Amino acid sequence: DVKVTQSSRYLVKRTGEKVFLECVQDMDHENMFWYRQDPGLGLRLIYFSYDVKMKEKGDIPEGYSVSREKKERFSLILESASTNQTSMYLCASSLGSDQPQHFGDGTRLSIL
Amino acid sequence: TQLLEQSPQFLSIQEGENLTVYCNSSSVFSSLQWYRQEPGEGPVLLVTVVTGGEVKKLKRLTFQFGDARKDSSLHITAAQPGDTGLYLCAGVPLNDYKLSFGAGTTVTVRA
Repeated sequence: DVKVTQSSRYLVKRTGEKVFLECVQDMDHENMFWYRQDPGLGLRLIYFSYDVKMKEKGDIPEGYSVSREKKERFSLILESASTNQTSMYLCASSLGSDQPQHFGDGTRLSIL
Repeated sequence: TQLLEQSPQFLSIQEGENLTVYCNSSSVFSSLQWYRQEPGEGPVLLVTVVTGGEVKKLKRLTFQFGDARKDSSLHITAAQPGDTGLYLCAGVPLNDYKLSFGAGTTVTVRA
């Protein structure tokens, strides 16, 4: 079974802090994704990566950056956290960009 | 606006009843995927439909892909409390390569 592991289930940070969310997958998938999930808005793509050191902006990249130094690891960075970034963050991986995605259990991030 | 519109947004039914969730778009998709997300967990793939008019069954769940490949539906027969969750449809439009998700339908099945 594909395993996508997100480093934290819950995280509380303060406005202005730099926040790192980590995600690791064990299936050698080329593609990895970061989404945020808010009630009534569904999953919105922040960034995705189709190869090591390669990244592409999703629908809502503002205020975020990503890093993919190794194939199995994809990090989401909030450069200077703001309260409107309080959300559920989901990481996913897939074999191809149009293939079914395997998700982690999410990180519920609160910015105070 | 969402590329994929799901309806209804919320559905609450009694155990044993049937329900249908809809996923509609004005775009054509090469395939559509359905996921279920339970509280505290990430979405899990239920099924992928690929051919226009295709019907797939997964125990009490029936998935249909519209003939024009612009819409899909999920029908649950004799719903059980274990069917409770957020149901998401997702697909890649023909003119794109990224998966888009609908906003989801929250289904609650009362015992």
